[in-house]
Amino acid sequence: NAGVTQTPKFQVLKTGQSMTLQCAQDMNHNSMYWYRQDPGMGLRLIYYSASEGTTDKGEVPNGYNVSRLNKREFSLRLESAAPSQTSVYFCASSDPRGPTDTQYFGPGTRLTVL
Amino acid sequence: GQQLNQSPQSMFIQEGEDVSMNCTSSSIFNTWLWYKQDPGEGPVLLIALYKAGELTSNGRLTAQFGITRKDSFLNISASIPSDVGIYFCAGTGGAQKLVFGQGTRLTINP
Repeated sequence: NAGVTQTPKFQVLKTGQSMTLQCAQDMNHNSMYWYRQDPGMGLRLIYYSASEGTTDKGEVPNGYNVSRLNKREFSLRLESAAPSQTSVYFCASSDPRGPTDTQYFGPGTRLTVL
Repeated sequence: GQQLNQSPQSMFIQEGEDVSMNCTSSSIFNTWLWYKQDPGEGPVLLIALYKAGELTSNGRLTAQFGITRKDSFLNISASIPSDVGIYFCAGTGGAQKLVFGQGTRLTINP
């Protein structure tokens, strides 16, 4: 099992450019999440998907869109990148059928917006 | 919304020393989780706590779910160089969305 995989690992964008961050999990989990991590602020939830076909906003959704393509894949799109979106982005998945909503994280995408 | 306050923000210790860090919440949590993040990697789950008062160990790591359900601590005994990293507490309340603390950065001097 690869767990949670993310592509790309690094990306540099110019202000106003668009891009999509890809995430896939092979653990048959129902729920998937996108976080951003900024220095000194921990991880903040951008969007999540409790199950295939559903998505909901998290703490910091502005400037982002998501697509739950199927049970395995959950993508995050920046339509018009801004320098404030420079961050490390993590995808996670969990199976709420377990005893707790324990989340497993991918390796992250390091995004710089110039 | 729910918030977690994690302390200390950073620690500088000698190899072999014990480490203690904690998290407090403004509201009751149903689950407490402790993660470790190595440089350039995603967080990895260390310990999960499901009941108030629960004390759980994972090797040299011990964590407890506070009886008030508003706090948790993590202890690391006899630290070694590979313990270096950022430790995050996280918890879920009724909404089932995970809330993270700000992290504790651990540095170890050999």
